[in-house]
Amino acid sequence: ETGVTQTPRHLVMGMTNKKSLKCEQHLGHNAMYWYKQSAKKPLELMFVYSLEERVENNSVPSRFSPECPNSSHLFLHLHTLQPEDSALYLCASSQDYGGELYEQYFGPGTRLTVT
Amino acid sequence: AQKITQTQPGMFVQEKEAVTLDCTYDTSDPSYGLFWYKQPSSGEMIFLIYQGSYDQQNATEGRYSLNFQKARKSANLVISASQLGDSAMYFCAMREVAYSGAGSYQLTFGKGTKLSVIP
Repeated sequence: ETGVTQTPRHLVMGMTNKKSLKCEQHLGHNAMYWYKQSAKKPLELMFVYSLEERVENNSVPSRFSPECPNSSHLFLHLHTLQPEDSALYLCASSQDYGGELYEQYFGPGTRLTVT
Repeated sequence: AQKITQTQPGMFVQEKEAVTLDCTYDTSDPSYGLFWYKQPSSGEMIFLIYQGSYDQQNATEGRYSLNFQKARKSANLVISASQLGDSAMYFCAMREVAYSGAGSYQLTFGKGTKLSVIP
């Protein structure tokens, strides 16, 4: 595997379900990200982890819970989602420590549908 | 105010012709970076090209070049010799160094331009 991989690629879940999205980066990067891409809206940064520690970001509802067990893996745990949470969820990674101008490399995304 | 503005929702270009995708940005940070990404229908965001605010020359990467006009705060992407595989969404993004916390990592994206290459 190369680059950034994400599983599953597609997910349909009910509002009472609990599911997790998985991301793995094979680039040796130290920072990982979750972005949300909704129809008609620009990409929104949800969470950032640098050196496996979460960088503070308070604007995401608590029904989304990230986890970063090591520098190569990132999870997004989902529970009691709403239909408006249906979107493409993109994982990204980069080699930087914040305040730098490095590009981020993205995975193929998980297309989430909440019914 | 929007930080990244892409005014062309959709563009058409003939195969083998050049095309320019527009991007204007808004920042008061003297140090920033501008990025272009391509997103095919498969969903993956593919990094194309980067321009730093202090770079004296316009960035180029193969068939991609960035027309950087700092005073006008524009960073247009030029694709030369368009190919059918260039059909995709194209996003302009900016990163600023002035912020702390999550903001110091954030890529701010525009709404994108859908490019269609006609055979």
